Amino acid sequence: DAKTTQPTSMDCAEGRAANLPCNHSTISGNEYVYWYRQIHSQGPQYIIHGLKNNETNEMASLIITEDRKSSTLILPHATLRDTAVYYCIVLGDNAGNMLTFGGGTRLMVKP
Amino acid sequence: DTGVSQNPRHKITKRGQNVTFRCDPISEHNRLYWYRQTLGQGPEFLTYFQNEAQLEKSRLLSDRFSAERPKGSFSTLEIQRTEQGDSAMYLCASSLDSGGYGYTFGSGTRLTVV
Repeated sequence: DAKTTQPTSMDCAEGRAANLPCNHSTISGNEYVYWYRQIHSQGPQYIIHGLKNNETNEMASLIITEDRKSSTLILPHATLRDTAVYYCIVLGDNAGNMLTFGGGTRLMVKP
Repeated sequence: DTGVSQNPRHKITKRGQNVTFRCDPISEHNRLYWYRQTLGQGPEFLTYFQNEAQLEKSRLLSDRFSAERPKGSFSTLEIQRTEQGDSAMYLCASSLDSGGYGYTFGSGTRLTVV
């Protein structure tokens, strides 16, 4: 599975959009981009995933560049409860695959 | 609560003792995973089950570690002769298939070896 690169940490003001970047320049055609987050003292939680097209759900939007080498997770109106570590993971759809976590981005939402 | 349940939430043990953790996955999920997470790091994969079959084990899973999933339901992770380096959060997750979107994680068991 392709490796990902994320900034170690980011700050965001409460109520503003949080834009979390991820580089995955070695992604291959059948690999999806997944985002999970981990709030302190909890297990990781699925946010969103995509292959080529931009995706939106009730939690976030995912913007994937046309060449698929990078993506951005957008939390449109960050709240204090969005303070967490956000993991960008690239994973193929083969049966033997499983999620492999990197270091993630520690997002701090400030009042 | 229909989520993934892990017990105990916290465990403190003396070095050299054996410990066992339990994970109860979402009932219809056929895949079950164990991960380990140390402070400041992302979760690291340990092993996974498809139903009752243990299909893959990480090289992180030394001989002192053993995992079972009898009858494809709950799973246990045992660590024998614990060492201080085993101190970590042990996370369990389950999923219905191999898609990366369907993982549901438990809140973990925090192990402290003193």
